[in-house]
Amino acid sequence: TQLLEQSPQFLSIQEGENLTVYCNSSSVFSSLQWYRQEPGEGPVLLVTVVTGGEVKKLKRLTFQFGDARKDSSLHITAAQPGDTGLYLCAGVLTGTASKLTFGTGTRLQVTL
Amino acid sequence: DTAVSQTPKYLVTQMGNDKSIKCEQNLGHDTMYWYKQDSKKFLKIMFSYNNKELIINETVPNRFSPKSPDKAHLNLHINSLELGDSAVYFCASSAQLAEDTGELFFGEGSRLTVL
Repeated sequence: TQLLEQSPQFLSIQEGENLTVYCNSSSVFSSLQWYRQEPGEGPVLLVTVVTGGEVKKLKRLTFQFGDARKDSSLHITAAQPGDTGLYLCAGVLTGTASKLTFGTGTRLQVTL
Repeated sequence: DTAVSQTPKYLVTQMGNDKSIKCEQNLGHDTMYWYKQDSKKFLKIMFSYNNKELIINETVPNRFSPKSPDKAHLNLHINSLELGDSAVYFCASSAQLAEDTGELFFGEGSRLTVL
């Protein structure tokens, strides 16, 4: 089992639909990041959350860090084809030095 | 200019060979990393260097040897390549250590195929 489990693994939706991606763990994280990776490229940071219960918005994307800092969610409103990609959560375990652990990934495809 | 650049982008080689991947960052960051992404797209850290010093060495076989000649470069040398080494290797850098919520800037990846 991986430290950070993401669900769903794959998601294929039509343009305009809403979706939520989950990132869950039984461990506590001091911070959590979300990245998006497009084919043939490296991941690009979308957001960092550090406080339990924190909510951050990036245009149509809403990120939430769980109160206990063990989980996070990414909600996309009115998905567009440009949102297609691999979404990765990544966290720093409390008490570990400089190690960012990545989640299992969610592959999103948005079609017209 | 590319912030984090890796070469080569593609590498196809036979089992048992030795190969190197080079990485350079022009962001002025102190910390650099190597990650391995397998066929299921799972990204796993291999090494981390801070100011040319090794700070993370995950359970990676001794056949993998990173070298950081200066803080802008982190190269990865792999000896006696095995089929299971086939993956995409990503170099990354950050201004701060990950524990300080440092953002990682990734290169485009180097796809290694071992035949």
